[in-house]
Amino acid sequence: ILNVEQSPQSLHVQEGDSTNFTCSFPSSNFYALHWYRWETAKSPEALFVMTLNGDEKKKGRISATLNTKEGYSYLYIKGSQPEDSATYLCARYGQNFVFGPGTRLSVLP
Amino acid sequence: GAGVSQSPRYKVAKRGQDVALRCDPISGHVSLFWYQQALGQGPEFLTYFQNEAQLDKSGLPSDRFFAERPEGSVSTLKIQRTQQEDSAVYLCASSPYTRTDTQYFGPGTRLTVL
Repeated sequence: ILNVEQSPQSLHVQEGDSTNFTCSFPSSNFYALHWYRWETAKSPEALFVMTLNGDEKKKGRISATLNTKEGYSYLYIKGSQPEDSATYLCARYGQNFVFGPGTRLSVLP
Repeated sequence: GAGVSQSPRYKVAKRGQDVALRCDPISGHVSLFWYQQALGQGPEFLTYFQNEAQLDKSGLPSDRFFAERPEGSVSTLKIQRTQQEDSAVYLCASSPYTRTDTQYFGPGTRLTVL
């Protein structure tokens, strides 16, 4: 993997469903992986910064895991709510910051 | 204010015009970043400052793009002789210390070049 990739590109879930999406990145020269949440017309908001293989972080209903050896991170949202609707961006810091294209999540009431 | 601010929020420029975009980072933050975000894509790194020193400008797309942070706080991104392909949202972010810290983003400046 040469670039930071995210899948799926977009996702629609029902309120109450749990969901997850993936960030894939080059595993060489890795320093940190960031997750951001970006709501329309607002600034990106930092969710997590992870640096070590096996890191797991949790913030309320949102959690993330990191595998630096294989170059991926998962973001999980438990019991999705309409206010979770946003674009979720991951960014890998190696020699510089490279953002993925984002996963656009829509939670339907 | 408590967060990163950017001005103007929206800028319309005629092709060939010079523009200057301003970023006020969170007070005391050492690191400052500029990103360019095209429609439907993630932010792309432009340049990075540690205090007043521009340590990385590898993402600036051409020599028409110039950034400065002369006193280690406010930063200005200048684009000379704007082209239509410069139309994008320009995001500024700051972080407390190193470039691996959490970044705090401003609301962005949407530049449209006609």
